[in-house]
Order: sequence, then structure tokens, then C-alpha cells
Amino acid sequence: DTAVSQTPKYLVTQMGNDKSIKCEQNLGHDTMYWYKQDSKKFLKIMFSYNNKELIINETVPNRFSPKSPDKAHLNLHINSLELGDSAVYFCASSLDGTGGKDTQYFGPGTRLTVL
Amino acid sequence: QKEVEQNSGPLSVPEGAIASLNCTYSDRGSQSFFWYRQYSGKSPELIMFIYSNGDKEDGRFTAQLNKASQYVSLLIRDSQPSDSATYLCAVNSPSGTYKYIFGTGTRLKVLA
Repeated sequence: DTAVSQTPKYLVTQMGNDKSIKCEQNLGHDTMYWYKQDSKKFLKIMFSYNNKELIINETVPNRFSPKSPDKAHLNLHINSLELGDSAVYFCASSLDGTGGKDTQYFGPGTRLTVL
Repeated sequence: QKEVEQNSGPLSVPEGAIASLNCTYSDRGSQSFFWYRQYSGKSPELIMFIYSNGDKEDGRFTAQLNKASQYVSLLIRDSQPSDSATYLCAVNSPSGTYKYIFGTGTRLKVLA
């Protein structure tokens, strides 16, 4: 049983297209996240959601729109894709997001390539 | 100044040696500190977390935290080739805001 799953695993698309990445967790966690990992392996937080509410939006272009239909799902829609959007996108979840012993569990990642 | 800094490496150690990985952070209000391991092409997986000053041991791994000096380290004893990976330091900063900041990672190579 996969704890945090993402689809698709690979996404290759042309500049200007719109694409979505889906994430689901079956851990019963309240908090979910989207991270972007660039070619230099820097893992940068994009969004945090707690119980379907947006908590953190880290100066991400508004072409990126997260949606959380329920606390087990956090999807990421990207409009008008640009070359610089090419990266690996990781979804993660944690129990409550407040630090302490709050461990994040990561999905397998979606490798997005924009041509 | 970056919020969480790590030496990118690679750090090369012989099999059986102790690998020492270091991380410094800038926010004095940080409360929780995490070490993740990431194999090439895979997702990060948690090794340890620590939130009190001092040492915390788990098997071959020891995390060390010094809040006054704002650094956290990870020691890997009896290093194995399977430990070769990138090690990411993460800080929950500040506590309670659902925000985790990662360092750029240190690449560790354990030579057989």
C-alpha cells in the first residue's frame, strides 16, 4: 500500500501547455505539501495545505494553482508551462505540519520536462 | 545568506569509517530538525529528527543539535556503500507554520 502516491511519474510537454499532477495520501494526515526539486537537487517548498486550507504559498507564480478537494488529495495545475518549470515535483504529507515530531512522507515525484 | 546551508560535497569516506555531515541554519526560532536521505532518482526518506540540544542515536546514525551555534549534524558509523546518497537537512522554521526549509544536500560516497 503506497502511503503517498503521485500521477503521472513522468510528464513531457510543450511550452505553453497546461498540465496537472495529482497526489493522494492514505495516511490520514492533515497536512500536505508540494515541493519543487531543480536540477541542482534543491528542494523548495511551494505550497502547504492543512485540512484543505492553503497555509503556505511561497511566492510561486500564479500559473501554479493547487487544489485540495479533501484532506487526502492535493493536486497541482500548471498553466502556460515554461522551460524553467522543468523539475521534479514532490508531494508530501505530515500529521499536522507543526514541527516537533511531525515527519513528512514524500511521494515518488513527478519529473516534468518542458520542451 | 541561505536559510539552511550544507556543504554540497561529495564527501567520500572509506567503508567502515564514520561519515560526518553538517548543516547550519539562520532562523534562531527553529524548533525541529530533520535529516532525510535521497537516493538518485528517488524521493527523500526520513532518517532522524531532533528537537533538543545534544545527541540522539538511532542504530548507526547519531544526530547532534546545538541551538546556540545553530548547527545540526549527522554522524553515520560503520559507513556502508549502501549509505551513498544525498543527505538533506530540513528545518521547521519557525515552529507551527507548516513550513519546512531544506538545505541543498550533501552527497555522500562510501568507497568499498
